[in-house]
This record gives sequence, C-alpha cells and structure tokens, in this order.
Amino acid sequence: DAGITQSPRHKVTETGTPVTLRCHQTENHRYMYWYRQDPGHGLRLIHYSYGVKDTDKGEVSDGYSVSRSKTEDFLLTLESATSSQTSVYFCAISEGGMSYEQYFGPGTRLTVT
Amino acid sequence: GENVEQHPSTLSVQEGDSAVIKCTYSDSASNYFPWYKQELGKGPQLIIDIRSNVGEKKDQRIAVTLNKTAKHFSLHITETQPEDSAVYFCAASEGWEGIIKTSYDKVIFGPGTSLSVIP
Repeated sequence: DAGITQSPRHKVTETGTPVTLRCHQTENHRYMYWYRQDPGHGLRLIHYSYGVKDTDKGEVSDGYSVSRSKTEDFLLTLESATSSQTSVYFCAISEGGMSYEQYFGPGTRLTVT
Repeated sequence: GENVEQHPSTLSVQEGDSAVIKCTYSDSASNYFPWYKQELGKGPQLIIDIRSNVGEKKDQRIAVTLNKTAKHFSLHITETQPEDSAVYFCAASEGWEGIIKTSYDKVIFGPGTSLSVIP
C-alpha cells in the first residue's frame, strides 16, 4: 500500500468552527489531491497540488482552502464548517498528473452538527 | 463540463457469473478512463485503466472496453468471486503527462456501482 495517512480519521465538530484535515505521504509523489465522497456523487475534487506551494481549485472548492508547505503534507481547511460539509474526505497522491494512477488514503469521516 | 454517468447503481450476481458496469461521458476531449474499486471502509484503488488510443484492455478476470464514438466505456468482470464485492467507480479525464499544466484538469468520477457477489 502507498504510504498515505490521514488525520484525524473521524471528527465531529459544530457549525461555524474551523477544521483542518491533514494528509501525509511517504512516497515523495509530486501531486496531491483532496476529494469528498457523498452518496450518489462519487468522488468530487476539492483542491489539488502539483508541487510545494502550488495548488489549484477543483470542482467543489467553495468553503475550503488548502496549503502545502512540504512535499509530504497537504492540509485541507474548512474555515467555518457547515452541515453541507459533512462527508468522507479522501486524500490521494500521484507521481504525475491526473492521467496517472492515484493512490488514496483511508479517508476521514467528518460530521458537522 | 464533463459529466460521467454510471449504471447500474447496484448489481448482484451469483459467484462465477460475469458482471458488467457501464459508463458514459460527455466531453469528447476526455482520453483517460480509469476504474477504481472501493472496499468497505477503505479508499478507492485503481484496478484497470484505458486510454483513448486503445479499444480494449484486459488484466486476468477484468477487462475494459472503450467506444469513443459513442462516448461510453464498460468494465467486465468474469468468473466473479465474493472478494469482488465492492463499490466500483469509473472516471474520465482529459489526461496529460509530464509537463505542468497551469489550467485546471479535471478527473470526473461516476456515482459508483455497488457490486455484490453471492456465494
């Protein structure tokens, strides 16, 4: 298995609070991604990074920000969590761009009450 | 933008039978089509992919076919086994390799198919 960890694995938080999810990789892959998974929607890309300090928006980026200060870490921040952000969040990595195999982490289940 | 539809949403087959999952896409520029398998409580894992210059690809019991004219591609699993039970996702993207792109390059996933293989 690719060396990808996500923390925390589960979190319950209240509406309006900030939340940061962490993705850590040991593969030295250049590209990192954050997805959310919701029933009936598959996986939707939130943000991605193509290098340290190089990030771009995905299809559902509103309400989320990201940072990548080191190759191995990619942080996803919900500035002010809303109930619509209750979801399972997956981090993924790849050696090249999006036409390369993506390796997914174990996921973080976030509940916003 | 790209839209990927996937059918059926659920599928039950007897062990040993074949399973077929179909996907359609809307963007004719898409040229990379991966399939991911997600077991319960885990992240998705790539099982096979195909690029637009190929019509079919096989890997043991798994095969994928692509019809670019009709904009659809399918996953075929033969001789199904209980361990094939999982959620399967198709995806489509305008793939690129190597050089850094400055514009957003989407990978769009289908909504998933829950496959149950009955022993």
